[in-house]
Amino acid sequence: QKEVEQNSGPLSVPEGAIASLNCTYSDRGSQSFFWYRQYSGKSPELIMSIYSNGDKEDGRFTAQLNKASQYVSLLIRDSQPSDSATYLCAVTVYGGSQGNLIFGKGTKLSVKP
Amino acid sequence: DTEVTQTPKHLVMGMTNKKSLKCEQHMGHRAMYWYKQKAKKPPELMFVYSYEKLSINESVPSRFSPECPNSSLLNLHLHALQPEDSALYLCASSQGWSTDQETQYFGPGTRLLVL
Repeated sequence: QKEVEQNSGPLSVPEGAIASLNCTYSDRGSQSFFWYRQYSGKSPELIMSIYSNGDKEDGRFTAQLNKASQYVSLLIRDSQPSDSATYLCAVTVYGGSQGNLIFGKGTKLSVKP
Repeated sequence: DTEVTQTPKHLVMGMTNKKSLKCEQHMGHRAMYWYKQKAKKPPELMFVYSYEKLSINESVPSRFSPECPNSSLLNLHLHALQPEDSALYLCASSQGWSTDQETQYFGPGTRLLVL
């Protein structure tokens, strides 16, 4: 069974702090990794995609990938109350002719003013 | 533009009704997906269409029937649903399947309630 594991939280951080979200995955063949943000009652919104080992930065968000450790993380700098949401880690697993996304259960982030 | 649209936003139906959910994208994406999401759970893949052909059916009950009339449209026909089918139904699309094309973009979803 191919799995993606995340701490369910809630993760609570004060406004302006760095929020660190972590994810591990079981399929060593995975090549593509994604972070989605989902507000309550809304659909998932893509925050970051990462394909190579190392860091990828986009504004206040940094994704980090370590394929050897099968670990991907998301850092949110200068956290704002509007960042309060559930963050879903998603990993592409391959079977047959194409890959499909496997989602972690999500980490609920709460940013306190 | 990475917009996927879904209609209706909300749907209430009885167990004997037949209804359809619609999804549309105009990004030229070749893969389209249906997911089901229950409260406080991650999305679960139901169906995948590749080049308008059904390529994956994740053992979904036959009361859910997908259809892809053309490359921009995806329907999900519902018949004789059960109350436990109440959920958020999400449509997504991706450009293709190579590593740099498989990013999935989600529509806003249809909130379904089965009475």
